[in-house]
Amino acid sequence: DSGVTQTPKHLITATGQRVTLRCSPRSGDLSVYWYQQSLDQGLQFLIQYYNGEERAKGNILERFSAQQFPDLHSELNLSSLELGDSALYFCASSSDVLVDEQFFGPGTRLTVL
Amino acid sequence: GENVEQHPSTLSVQEGDSAVIKCTYSDSASNYFPWYKQELGKGPQLIIDIRSNVGEKKDQRIAVTLNKTAKHFSLHITETQPEDSAVYFCAARGYLEGKSTFGDGTTLTVKP
Repeated sequence: DSGVTQTPKHLITATGQRVTLRCSPRSGDLSVYWYQQSLDQGLQFLIQYYNGEERAKGNILERFSAQQFPDLHSELNLSSLELGDSALYFCASSSDVLVDEQFFGPGTRLTVL
Repeated sequence: GENVEQHPSTLSVQEGDSAVIKCTYSDSASNYFPWYKQELGKGPQLIIDIRSNVGEKKDQRIAVTLNKTAKHFSLHITETQPEDSAVYFCAARGYLEGKSTFGDGTTLTVKP
């Protein structure tokens, strides 16, 4: 158990809908990262937050957005969902922006029908 | 941007044999190279990492080597066991950068 929690574990929804994925980092970790893992594209970095501020951005679609709250939990919002958004979404955390090791959560499996 | 290539995509070995997975990267500014193990239904777990000021690092049966000149790094697992069966990912990142670029993964199967 990495100490990172993600909810929900599974999510099934329809095209065009909007969903919110939630992540709680390890106790004391200030940095949160979001990744998308699909069968044909491996692990793709989406975005990083550090202590409430956006720190780095990857190939995140405009339909996707994230935020980190004062209690350091983070949410990833996916809107206007398409079939191709079906994937595993992982959250990871690290203690601060200078620390290399990231601890991954168990992931949320999103299925868009 | 950074590009990481990982080979092979699948690897099958007999229990007790060694396994080697190789990755190449394109950005010479990358200086942190972690390896992750992902078991079915779980998130990736860091198993070993290396920084660009080190050529080799070992932790029990696992070792990683880095060749900065050639821009490649490798994972070596000795005396493989069935519980080593999993998907292994390499990644590359620059100092103070949040973004990690991952390889496509290697599915390792260790046959008893």
